[in-house]
Amino acid sequence: ELKVEQNPLFLSMQEGKNYTIYCNYSTTSDRLYWYRQDPGKSLESLFVLLSNGAVKQEGRLMASLDTKARLSTLHITAAVHDLSATYFCAVVGGTSYGKLTFGQGTILTVHP
Amino acid sequence: DADVTQTPRNRITKTGKRIMLECSQTKGHDRMYWYRQDPGLGLRLIYYSFDVKDINKGEISDGYSVSRQAQAKFSLSLESAIPNQTALYFCATSDLPGGFGTQYFGPGTRLLVL
Repeated sequence: ELKVEQNPLFLSMQEGKNYTIYCNYSTTSDRLYWYRQDPGKSLESLFVLLSNGAVKQEGRLMASLDTKARLSTLHITAAVHDLSATYFCAVVGGTSYGKLTFGQGTILTVHP
Repeated sequence: DADVTQTPRNRITKTGKRIMLECSQTKGHDRMYWYRQDPGLGLRLIYYSFDVKDINKGEISDGYSVSRQAQAKFSLSLESAIPNQTALYFCATSDLPGGFGTQYFGPGTRLLVL
């Protein structure tokens, strides 16, 4: 059974600081996704990572994938308040035929 | 207009009632999914459908049923609602095959079972 674990689950940051969210998964996967969810809202796709060593960047967010370590990271650079949200990673693995298994989510709060 | 819509957006019902949540999409995707979200548990898959004739149980299908009326419509039913089915429910569609497998989510239905 594929398991996906994120840490930390709660992250309180000051504006201007850098931090990393980690996503570990338990079985081989050929693709990993990052989503953002604002309070009371739906999920918005941020990144799709399709191969070992893949790196994607959008603004202050950068995601990477290490399939050998079964690890993805979401790095936040010089955080701003607008980045406050819950971030989920999700993995397709093994024989799951396009089904996603989600991590628990990381609640990020950026303070002035 | 939104690509994935869900109705109703909010629903309060009583234990034992049957309710239906509806999902429609204009993205032309074959694959559709129903998830529930509970605080601290992320999203958990209830049912998924890869085309109109292909419907499969997810990890938490007990107490739920689905109907895929057309490529664009996928409904979730709670035959006899119970309080622990109180949650936020999301419908999603996927751009597989042919795309990167990104799932596109509807706005969600907030369900309260009393």
